[in-house]
Amino acid sequence: NAGVMQNPRHLVRRRGQEARLRCSPMKGHSHVYWYRQLPEEGLKFMVYLQKENIIDESGMPKERFSAEFPKEGPSILRIQQVVRGDSAAYFCASSPFGDQPQHFGDGTRLSIL
Amino acid sequence: GESVGLHLPTLSVQEGDNSIINCAYSNSASDYFIWYKQESGKGPQFIIDIRSNMDKRQGQRVTVLLNKTVKHLSLQIAATQPGDSAVYFCAVRPNFGNEKLTFGTGTRLTIIP
Repeated sequence: NAGVMQNPRHLVRRRGQEARLRCSPMKGHSHVYWYRQLPEEGLKFMVYLQKENIIDESGMPKERFSAEFPKEGPSILRIQQVVRGDSAAYFCASSPFGDQPQHFGDGTRLSIL
Repeated sequence: GESVGLHLPTLSVQEGDNSIINCAYSNSASDYFIWYKQESGKGPQFIIDIRSNMDKRQGQRVTVLLNKTVKHLSLQIAATQPGDSAVYFCAVRPNFGNEKLTFGTGTRLTIIP
């Protein structure tokens, strides 16, 4: 039973470019969560999605960041016009429904040159 | 909002001894608590969870204790092994229906052979 799959594992972008991070949840999981982690820190919640719906985006910056979880295909976290401060590890988690443990992928490490 | 802290950023334990990792939270309405283990370069791995209607839960070699009176959570690992070396995070859900987890900053556990 495959776990949460994230790709790419590493992504390098220049300032001003766009970054697209993909997350395929565990089989049977329809709830997806995105978190950001800076070095030596805990994870910070960004957004919670169910299929085709954003449930809670209270942790996501209002500008440049967007997330989607289409009916078909992976969830996408999109960062437009990246800046140095966007450098971090971005983790995706999934659960079969709410009120269940969130299971994490191994993250995408985003580096901004 | 919720804030979650850990009592010690690092902990070194002799192989075979028991480890105790502590966590404090601030929101008395928090109702769901999870411990994760994170190894270098990987995502958080679910260890054990506990809900607010319980004060103790046991898994394989791990026990979680919840003291709601003082808003304190602990993870006990019995007979620690080299593979237990990692950063341990507690994560707290603010209230039922709100699925965003607040993570502590983590405790780095090192097992001394």
